[in-house]
Amino acid sequence: TQLLEQSPQFLSIQEGENLTVYCNSSSVFSSLQWYRQEPGEGPVLLVTVVTGGEVKKLKRLTFQFGDARKDSSLHITAAQPGDTGLYLCAGSYSGAGSYQLTFGKGTKLSVIP
Amino acid sequence: DAEITQSPRHKITETGRQVTLACHQTWNHNNMFWYRQDLGHGLRLIHYSYGVQDTNKGEVSDGYSVSRSNTEDLPLTLESAASSQTSVYFCASASGAEPTEAFFGQGTRLTVV
Repeated sequence: TQLLEQSPQFLSIQEGENLTVYCNSSSVFSSLQWYRQEPGEGPVLLVTVVTGGEVKKLKRLTFQFGDARKDSSLHITAAQPGDTGLYLCAGSYSGAGSYQLTFGKGTKLSVIP
Repeated sequence: DAEITQSPRHKITETGRQVTLACHQTWNHNNMFWYRQDLGHGLRLIHYSYGVQDTNKGEVSDGYSVSRSNTEDLPLTLESAASSQTSVYFCASASGAEPTEAFFGQGTRLTVV
């Protein structure tokens, strides 16, 4: 079983501050996804990274995949109250026709106005 | 628009009863998954399917079963509900092409009393 460790588990910041969330594993993943989940809803896909060292930007969110494809980070610039939610990373390990996603436990972000 | 729907959204049942949670997707995805989400544990895989008549056990499959008679549906059955199965259940689907990108339903909150 591939394990994904996310840190920090909880994060409370003021509007306008920057933050980084980390996702680490001892396993190599073929791809890694970041999801955002709001209370009472299912997770929603934000981005997928596939290539080691890849950087993707989604407005104020920057996602990076580690060179060895074992870790990833999510950086939010000038956080807004609308960024509040649970951020989940998930790794895909495709081997022998396996297409499962392993999820980290998530980072609960609160952005205070 | 394609979607994935779960029903019911909320259910209360008694210990020992059989319960079935429905999941229906119109993405025409081959892969479907059931997860449970609990505080401190994140999303854990219960069962998954890569196509019609295919089902596989996940990390926490004891006490649960699934069947896949068509592409659109993957119902989850709790054979004899236990209080430990009180949780929020999410169904997800993915196309089966790499990278694996999952689309989630809105969840079913199940309480076993």
